[in-house]
Amino acid sequence: DGGITQSPKYLFRKEGQNVTLSCEQNLNHDAMYWYRQDPGQGLRLIYYSQIVNDFQKGDIAEGYSVSREKKESFPLTVTSAQKNPTAFYLCASTPDRNYNSPLHFGNGTRLTVT
Amino acid sequence: RKEVEQDPGPFNVPEGATVAFNCTYSNSASQSFFWYRQDCRKEPKLLMSVYSSGNEDGRFTAQLNRASQYISLLIRDSKLSDSATYLCVVTLSGTYKYIFGTGTRLKVLA
Repeated sequence: DGGITQSPKYLFRKEGQNVTLSCEQNLNHDAMYWYRQDPGQGLRLIYYSQIVNDFQKGDIAEGYSVSREKKESFPLTVTSAQKNPTAFYLCASTPDRNYNSPLHFGNGTRLTVT
Repeated sequence: RKEVEQDPGPFNVPEGATVAFNCTYSNSASQSFFWYRQDCRKEPKLLMSVYSSGNEDGRFTAQLNRASQYISLLIRDSKLSDSATYLCVVTLSGTYKYIFGTGTRLKVLA
């Protein structure tokens, strides 16, 4: 079955540590996205990538970094510079780059930083 | 004004009831529209895309009103399993942006 796999499902880290969240898709989708969800807020875009070796900042990119070395993979690193990293992180993809297709989501990673 | 606005609810309705939610958007360049369902602590899942002429999928009907800049979702014969948060998503023409509403929470009561 095709889909998007995020791992791990739950992640706990100490403040000051960088952490990398995994996102892998076997849908052969071109575009991939990282969103953050906080209680009572809509999903906010962190980074997106339309093609391998290219990515752009979203609305809240500060304190995050990404890479897109393979079409299937779009890992997100939450750095120690991110002020409020505790959140639910969602990876998504779309088959094309014209932004008319719905987003397909992975099952999310819940990050807790103490 | 928020780009996409939804009534947060909760909407508490009895089983079998018909319930409708609206979602307003502020940018007239909005191009594509979607309704997602999100269960507690899970990822959003696509419920349906919203087409200009309106569309139906079983008990669910979606409508788009471009003149008044809103989309709606109607759920007929509500089931307990319909209890969830419903997210409205809008894309802007020529951009990468998928803009999410904060969601409307529905509770269907036995």
